[in-house]
Amino acid sequence: AQKVTQAQTEISVVEKEDVTLDCVYETRDTTYYLFWYKQPPSGELVFLIRRNSFDEQNEISGRYSWNFQKSTSSFNFTITASQVVDSAVYFCALSEATSGTYKYIFGTGTRLKVLA
Amino acid sequence: DAGVTQSPTHLIKTRGQQVTLRCSPKSGHDTVSWYQQALGQGPQFIFQYYEEEERQRGNFPDRFSGHQFPNYSSELNVNALLLGDSALYLCASSPGRVEGRRLGYTFGSGTRLTVV
Repeated sequence: AQKVTQAQTEISVVEKEDVTLDCVYETRDTTYYLFWYKQPPSGELVFLIRRNSFDEQNEISGRYSWNFQKSTSSFNFTITASQVVDSAVYFCALSEATSGTYKYIFGTGTRLKVLA
Repeated sequence: DAGVTQSPTHLIKTRGQQVTLRCSPKSGHDTVSWYQQALGQGPQFIFQYYEEEERQRGNFPDRFSGHQFPNYSSELNVNALLLGDSALYLCASSPGRVEGRRLGYTFGSGTRLTVV
C-alpha cells in the first residue's frame, strides 16, 4: 500500500528558529521518489526538493536541508533560520517508479506559522 | 516563462450543475494531471492526460471526465455536482510522464470550486 503520513498538523515557530517537518512513507516499490512542496495562500504547489530512493545522501540547499532514511521510511525537511515568508502548508509526496503509476501520493500537510 | 495557468480562479455552482475547468501547461510540457484538494487535505489524483488520451485514473467516479487538446491544454469536466465536490482543483504539468514522476510536476494555482 502507498501512504504518506505527516503527523504534525500545525507548527508555530518564532522567526530565525530552525524547524523540522516530519514525513513517513509506505511503499512496496524498490525505486521511488520523494518530494516536498510548499503551498502558500495563493494555492499553487511550489516544488522544493526531491530525493531518489537509491540515493540516501542528505543535502543542504540554502536554508533547506533534508534527512532521508530508508531504514525508518522517513524523509524529514528542515528550514534553517525560518522567516515569515516561510509560512505556508508543506506537503510531502511519494511517486513510485516500478508500479506503473504516475500519480503522486500526498500527505495531509503541515501548516507552518512563522511569527515575527 | 509562464507556468501552469488555470481558469477560472474561483467558481460557484449549484448542486446538479456541470462545470468545466481549464488548464494550460507550462511551455514545453505535454503531460497534464489533475488533482482535487479538499479543505485541510492533501491533493488527490484524479487523472492524467498524455497524447490527448487519459492514461491513468484515480479513484473518482465517471462524473469526472477530461480532455486534452493538440496544444496540450486540458479541461476537467464534472457533471451532476455534489456538495462534496467543493474543493481546490489543481492542474500539474510535466515534459513527459516519466520526467514528471521522477523530477517533479509544475502545479498551477488551482480553481476553487464551491458547490451550494
